[in-house]
Amino acid sequence: QVQLQESGPGLVKPSETLSLTCTVSGGSVNSYYWSWIRQPPGKGLEWIGYIHDSGRTRDNPSLRGRVTLSLDTSSNQFSLRLSSVTAADTALYHCARHGARGWLEHWGQGSLVTVSS
Amino acid sequence: DIQMTQSPSSLSASVGDGVTITCQASQDISNYLNWYQQKPGKAPKLLIYDASNLETGVPPRFSGSGSGTDFTFTISSLQPEDFATYFCQQYGQLPYTFGLGTKLEI
Repeated sequence: QVQLQESGPGLVKPSETLSLTCTVSGGSVNSYYWSWIRQPPGKGLEWIGYIHDSGRTRDNPSLRGRVTLSLDTSSNQFSLRLSSVTAADTALYHCARHGARGWLEHWGQGSLVTVSS
Repeated sequence: DIQMTQSPSSLSASVGDGVTITCQASQDISNYLNWYQQKPGKAPKLLIYDASNLETGVPPRFSGSGSGTDFTFTISSLQPEDFATYFCQQYGQLPYTFGLGTKLEI
């Protein structure tokens, strides 16, 4: 059974960079697409971006180029970096594995990140 | 971006009832529409992919239909474990976008 677990600081200061890692167990990060999705308190879900082990990445234009995605096959993890954060980036951040196409077959429970000084 | 309009935002029902949730896309997304269930503190769970395909292991009381811009998700006979939040997601065009969710309550 594939399991995903997000980890990272729960508090980030404004203008700094948010960093999260998703550790995958029960399966390999190879040959799949992996996404990050977030949900601000009281709001809907927002797709952040995806990465494939081929190196292909795409991210949401709404985040204005602040997103960096990476994947480490040796540690079976993938990561998100979001730069120049503001309070609007406060959210529950989920990682997820894609199915054969654009559905999100497996999700992590989420990691709450608060942006505050 | 494609906007996903999901309704209702909340729904009260009883065990044994049938319920229907709809999602409308702002543009044609063919059948690239998925449905998820989320319970508090838990990871979202994929129920239906490509509008009408039941994910492995999901009970057949869950079903989905539609194509183009209008989609429907139905639970035929509610069980106690079905009280949760449900949301749709389109992947017809990047960025992927989601409906705001439907909270199904007793």
